[in-house]
Amino acid sequence: DAGVTQSPTHLIKTRGQQVTLRCSPKSGHDTVSWYQQALGQGPQFIFQYYEEEERQRGNFPDRFSGHQFPNYSSELNVNALLLGDSALYLCASSSLTTGMAYTFGSGTRLTVV
Amino acid sequence: AQSVTQLGSHVSVSEGALVLLRCNYSSSVPPYLFWYVQYPNQGLQLLLKYTTGATLVKGINGFEAEFKKSETSFHLTKPSAHMSDAAEYFCAVSGANSGGYQKVTFGIGTKLQVIP
Repeated sequence: DAGVTQSPTHLIKTRGQQVTLRCSPKSGHDTVSWYQQALGQGPQFIFQYYEEEERQRGNFPDRFSGHQFPNYSSELNVNALLLGDSALYLCASSSLTTGMAYTFGSGTRLTVV
Repeated sequence: AQSVTQLGSHVSVSEGALVLLRCNYSSSVPPYLFWYVQYPNQGLQLLLKYTTGATLVKGINGFEAEFKKSETSFHLTKPSAHMSDAAEYFCAVSGANSGGYQKVTFGIGTKLQVIP
């Protein structure tokens, strides 16, 4: 059974560019949450998608946006990239039956130069 | 509102010694509590979780944690450390599911070093 799949694994972008990160949740999970983990820090909540709608949002600017598709997969888009956006971006999937316990992907390492 | 405080960003123990990683939480509603482990360049893996019921929770790899409401704590322990336990550990809290979806808030993490 495949877990959470994220792509790409690594990405280098230039300041001002836009980036799209992708996530396929674990089979049977319908909720996708995105986190940003800066070096040496804990994961910071960006937003959560369920039934193709953003249900919760953390303290991130509107440059961060997302989407969930009917097959529960999700995208994270970041516009106008800043150097400070360099981080590991983690996707986590869950469902009501998991009691909010997440299954995480291995992440996408974004470097902004 | 919810938050997590992990005491000690770095903890060192000898192989075979007791592991104790401390976590205190704040939540305006009954909490769900979690411990996750992260190995270098990987995502997080669930060690154990507390939702309701028994306050002593057993997880994978011999870890366990006890929910103490009066102390707002959820400390992680393992009787005997193994070299493979060296990793970063994150405590996390979520509001108990009341029909909606609650975000999970993570602490800053504790790096565990195991000394041979």
